[in-house]
This record gives sequence, C-alpha cells and structure tokens, in this order.
Amino acid sequence: GENVEQHPSTLSVQEGDSAVIKCTYSDSASNYFPWYKQELGKGPQLIIDIRSNVGEKKDQRIAVTLNKTAKHFSLHITETQPEDSAVYFCAAFPNTGNQFYFGTGTSLTVIP
Amino acid sequence: GAVVSQHPSRVICKSGTSVKIECRSLDFQATTMFWYRQFPKKSLMLMATSNEGSKATYEQGVEKDKFLINHASLTLSTLTVTSAHPEDSSFYICSAGVRTDTQYFGPGTRLTVL
Repeated sequence: GENVEQHPSTLSVQEGDSAVIKCTYSDSASNYFPWYKQELGKGPQLIIDIRSNVGEKKDQRIAVTLNKTAKHFSLHITETQPEDSAVYFCAAFPNTGNQFYFGTGTSLTVIP
Repeated sequence: GAVVSQHPSRVICKSGTSVKIECRSLDFQATTMFWYRQFPKKSLMLMATSNEGSKATYEQGVEKDKFLINHASLTLSTLTVTSAHPEDSSFYICSAGVRTDTQYFGPGTRLTVL
C-alpha cells in the first residue's frame, strides 16, 4: 500500500520568513495530494491540493509543488504569520484505492 | 459550502457506557464518510469507511463490535463507541465527500472515558 513520509516533524520560523514542508510517497498510482492545516482541538482543514497532471499550484501565500518522477511534493508558505502556527498534514490518494494516506504531520510555529 | 459538523464536540463518560458521535454533511450529500481516530501529536488513523445504506468497511485491527458505524442517510453517519474504556479516549474525526478523493473534515469529537 501507499506510504507517505513527512519532514520535518517540527519547524520554527520567524514571522515573515518562509516555511517548507516536504512529503514523499511510494505508490505511483497516487494522483491527488491535499494539504491540511489542523489547529489545536479542531479538525483538519484543506488549505491547498494538487493533482498529478500539474506541477505547481499557488494560492496567495501558499504553494504546492509536485515532482511525480521523484514521488515527492512540498508545501511552501511565504511571509509567514503567527496565525499560520498549526500542525500541517500532507496526504496522498491512489487512484486505485478509496482512502487517503496521511503523513505524520509537521508542527509549525511562527515566532512573532 | 462543504460544511461537515460533528456532535458532540466533547464528551466525558464513565467506563462501560456507550457513546454516540454524529457526523453530518450540512450542505451537500455525502456518498462516502470516513471515521478517523487521532492520538495526541499523531497523525490521523483511518478506522472505517462508511457508505450510505451499506455496511461500513473497517480497517485492520479496528473492532467492528466496539466501534459501531451507521450511515443511515446521505447526510448522516454515526459512530458508537460501545462499552467505552479509558483506552478509547481519543479525538475522533469524521470526513465526508461527494467524491471519495474530495473529503471535508468535521471539527472532531474529544472523547474522555473515566
């Protein structure tokens, strides 16, 4: 089955700096890669996603890149703000299956 | 759009009692709902996949008789933790979607079993 690895597990950045979180996956059948933001005591919220026919997608300060050959995808947050502090999860969805496979999460802290 | 609610948001119960958690899609009809369990500082662990009108599909290691799932309509799925014990204490999260690969998460339910 699919195996998703996520790094780093914790990340601290100064406000205004950029943050990058990386994930790798193992199943070449995966074709959908969402990123979720989870604040303490709340459910995950979809912040951006990318499908395998696209290499990059951007939404204001958030961008995701996908390298299908290397089987890795990354989340980029620019001009970080304290409210970006949360746990971020990547996920992969194989087109041969019916479930998401989640990374282990990255706890991002933005220091004011 | 695409709002998923869970009720209750927090529940504390005595050991041995049963607890029901509801997951509702408020503005769309969900053909598939997933139930997850999340331990502190850990990732989401899929417990079961629920399709409207059919029996849930449980992941390996998840006790069917312990975690009863009912998907009675296209907008409601329930998870009942039967004879709860302290080790069942956790954060339970549902997700719902029209398409299996497009899921929206509920806000989660914090279960504490004393």
